[in-house]
Amino acid sequence: KQEVTQIPAALSVPEGENLVLNCSFTDSAIYNLQWFRQDPGKGLTSLLLIQSSQREQTSGRLNASLDKSSGRSTLYIAASQPGDSATYLCAVPGGSSNTGKLIFGQGTTLQVKP
Amino acid sequence: ETGVTQSPTHLIKTRGQQVTLRCSSQSGHNTVSWYQQALGQGPQFIFQYYREEENGRGNFPPRFSGLQFPNYSSELNVNALELDDSALYLCASRAGTDTQYFGPGTRLTVL
Repeated sequence: KQEVTQIPAALSVPEGENLVLNCSFTDSAIYNLQWFRQDPGKGLTSLLLIQSSQREQTSGRLNASLDKSSGRSTLYIAASQPGDSATYLCAVPGGSSNTGKLIFGQGTTLQVKP
Repeated sequence: ETGVTQSPTHLIKTRGQQVTLRCSSQSGHNTVSWYQQALGQGPQFIFQYYREEENGRGNFPPRFSGLQFPNYSSELNVNALELDDSALYLCASRAGTDTQYFGPGTRLTVL
């Protein structure tokens, strides 16, 4: 049974700092891995999707890496800003195919202080 | 904006009642999934509909049921509400691609 874990549960950093969020999964036979952002009480916004054949994806100040063999992914945020404050969730499809069922971690709540 | 809309935004019900939540998928998306997100937790998969048929279900009891309509809009119905059903309910749509697009959610409070 696939399980997804995110550590830490919460993180507070000063503005401008570079930071790394961690995501681990128990079954390495994943189809892809996706990172989402969620603002309080709101829906999810997709940030990056990494296919199982890829090692990383980049979008602006965000870089996500994937190491299937170790069951880990990291989301790197460069030069953090107060507007980055949100909860970040990682998710993998439930199974080795691209099913619609996503299994999520519990999220890391990030606070960036001005 | 993802193009996925949900209604209502907020809802308050009492234990034992029934509730219907609605989702309008992004144009051209024929697959919709529903998730339950309790406070402080990641979303949990409830079920998925593809072309009006349920084709995947998570660990939720039968009192959670759904419908998908020919225009690909969708409903989530919950009968015999329990206090633990209080959560943010999210729907997500996709068109056979990898990325799912999530709606803003419906906040359900059961008293």
